[in-house]
Amino acid sequence: DTGVSQDPRHKITKRGQNVTFRCDPISEHNRLYWYRQTLGQGPEFLTYFQNEAQLEKSRLLSDRFSAERPKGSFSTLEIQRTEQGDSAMYLCASSLAGTGFSPGANVLTFGAGSRLTVL
Amino acid sequence: GENVGLHLPTLSVQEGDNSIINCAYSNSASDYFIWYKQESGKGPQFIIDIRSNMDKRQGQRVTVLLNKTVKHLSLQIAATQPGDSAVYFCAENKVRLTGGGNKLTFGTGTQLKVEL
Repeated sequence: DTGVSQDPRHKITKRGQNVTFRCDPISEHNRLYWYRQTLGQGPEFLTYFQNEAQLEKSRLLSDRFSAERPKGSFSTLEIQRTEQGDSAMYLCASSLAGTGFSPGANVLTFGAGSRLTVL
Repeated sequence: GENVGLHLPTLSVQEGDNSIINCAYSNSASDYFIWYKQESGKGPQFIIDIRSNMDKRQGQRVTVLLNKTVKHLSLQIAATQPGDSAVYFCAENKVRLTGGGNKLTFGTGTQLKVEL
């Protein structure tokens, strides 16, 4: 296992089109997170899964965004009817599940990201 | 127009010097902090973490200092190398004791440039 994999690395699309990103987390990690990062800013939380359950969503995740993790392994993030404001880097991260300060639960391992450009 | 957000704070250091990157965090209830390094075109990479019951933690060539009184975090890099050139982010979290995901809140980042 070489870490968190994201695909595609770059996507250029026209406004109004739908796009889908895929994330393959570290195999033994049962938590999976999606973050969005715009130029010059730190990543912002979008949503996370524990196994196949989507447990929390940010207000940033509008109705046009949907994320799934159907078998508790890989995840997809779909953006419908893209807008220019959706242009950003979409980062996936994974971690072990755990409570409190349990080892591995608090440190997120990030993928290289999927950069979206909406024309 | 002005490109708000595109101009990261920048720290330029000579190779071999020590670097100190500072971060002011926002939530006094945060009890766990992480420093991440992000190179161009890559995702954030974990460097070092610290719990709020500590004020200092050392790793290999890096030290993190935490001052909860003023909500300040710093990352010290010893003998800075060209490979250290990147954007550095601090991230904070309020650890959940009864389960649930750990959403990190990231700062805006500092660009470290190492000059040869």
